[in-house]
Amino acid sequence: AQKVTQAQTEISVVEKEDVTLDCVYETRDTTYYLFWYKQPPSGELVFLIRRNSFDEQNEISGRYSWNFQKSTSSFNFTITASQVVDSAVYFCALRRYGGATNKLIFGTGTLLAVQP
Amino acid sequence: EPEVTQTPSHQVTQMGQEVILRCVPISNHLYFYWYRQILGQKVEFLVSFYNNEISEKSEIFDDQFSVERPDGSNFTLKIRSTKLEDSAMYFCASNSDRNTEAFFGQGTRLTVV
Repeated sequence: AQKVTQAQTEISVVEKEDVTLDCVYETRDTTYYLFWYKQPPSGELVFLIRRNSFDEQNEISGRYSWNFQKSTSSFNFTITASQVVDSAVYFCALRRYGGATNKLIFGTGTLLAVQP
Repeated sequence: EPEVTQTPSHQVTQMGQEVILRCVPISNHLYFYWYRQILGQKVEFLVSFYNNEISEKSEIFDDQFSVERPDGSNFTLKIRSTKLEDSAMYFCASNSDRNTEAFFGQGTRLTVV
C-alpha cells in the first residue's frame, strides 16, 4: 500500500526564520515520484516540485530546498528566510511510476503560519 | 501561462439535486483527473480519465458520480443526487504525460444544504 505521512499538522514561525516541513512515505515500488504542492488561503493547489525516486540529488530553488533520502523514505521541504506570503498548507504527495495508475496519494498537509 | 480553469468557483445546491462541475484542462494535456478535499482534510483522488474513458476510480466514485468529456475542451464531473457529505472542494487536474506533474485548477467549492 502507498501512504504519505506529514506528522506536523501546524507550524508557526516568525518571518525570516528557516522552517522544514517533514514528509515520510511508504511504498513497495522501487520507482516512484514525489511531489510538493502549496495551497494558499485562496484555495488553489500550486505545484512546487516533482522528484523521481532514482534521482536522489537535493534540489534548491531560490529560498526553497528539498532533501530526498531514500534510505529513510523521506522527502523534506525547507523554506529559508520565510516570508508572510509563504503562509499556506503544504502537501506532500506520492505517485507510482508507470503501471496502470497515475493518481496522486496526498499526505494530510502541514499548515505553515509565518508571522510578521 | 496555460492553466486549468474550473467553473463555478462556488456552488450551493439542495440535497438530492444534480450538479455538474466544469473544467477546462490545459489544451495539449491528455490525462484528466478529479480530486476532492473535504474542509480541513487531505486531497483525495476520485477518478482519472484518458483516451475518452475512465482509467481508474476510487471507492468514493460510486454510481452517483460520472465524468464526461463532451467536446475537445471541457471535462465535467456530475453528481446525480447530492448528499450532505458531498460538500467539499472539488479539484480538476491535468497533465500531458503520465510521468509529468499534474496541474490543478482553482477548485469548485460545493456546498450541499
